[in-house]
Amino acid sequence: NAGVTQTPKFRILKIGQSMTLQCTQDMNHNYMYWYRQDPGMGLKLIYYSVGAGITDKGEVPNGYNVSRSTTEDFPLRLELAAPSQTSVYFCASSLTGGDSPLHFGNGTRLTVT
Amino acid sequence: GQQLNQSPQSMFIQEGEDVSMNCTSSSIFNTWLWYKQDPGEGPVLLIALYKAGELTSNGRLTAQFGITRKDSFLNISASIPSDVGIYFCAGRGVRGGKLIFGQGTELSVKP
Repeated sequence: NAGVTQTPKFRILKIGQSMTLQCTQDMNHNYMYWYRQDPGMGLKLIYYSVGAGITDKGEVPNGYNVSRSTTEDFPLRLELAAPSQTSVYFCASSLTGGDSPLHFGNGTRLTVT
Repeated sequence: GQQLNQSPQSMFIQEGEDVSMNCTSSSIFNTWLWYKQDPGEGPVLLIALYKAGELTSNGRLTAQFGITRKDSFLNISASIPSDVGIYFCAGRGVRGGKLIFGQGTELSVKP
């Protein structure tokens, strides 16, 4: 099992460019999440999804968009990249939203200059 | 909103020493989780706690769900170099909702 797979691992963007961070999971998990990790700040939830076709905002959704057309995939879109979006992004999934543990991907390190 | 304070922010210890870190919340939690993040990878679940007072071990790791339900601690005994990484606590409040993560404790172990 691959678990949660994120691509790319690294990316450098210029201000104003757009990109999509890909995330796919092969565990048939219903819930998927996007977090960003900044030094000394822990993990902040950007968006999450409780199933295909359903998405909802987390703590820090501004500047991002998501879609969930299939159970497996949960891409994160940055439309107009800003330096404040320089961060490490983690995708995660869980079977349910209760006490199911989160399984994380290995992250995408994004730099916006 | 709910907040978690995790301390210390970083630790530099000698191999073989014991380590202790803790998290406190501004409100009552129903679930406490401890994750470890190795360099360049995503966090991996170490221990999950679901009941006040619960004490759970995973090898050299021991975690406790505080009796007040507002705190949790993680102990690592006899540290080894592969314990290096960032340790995160995470909690979920009584009304459910999304996991809240602490700021992380970065552990360095000197051989």
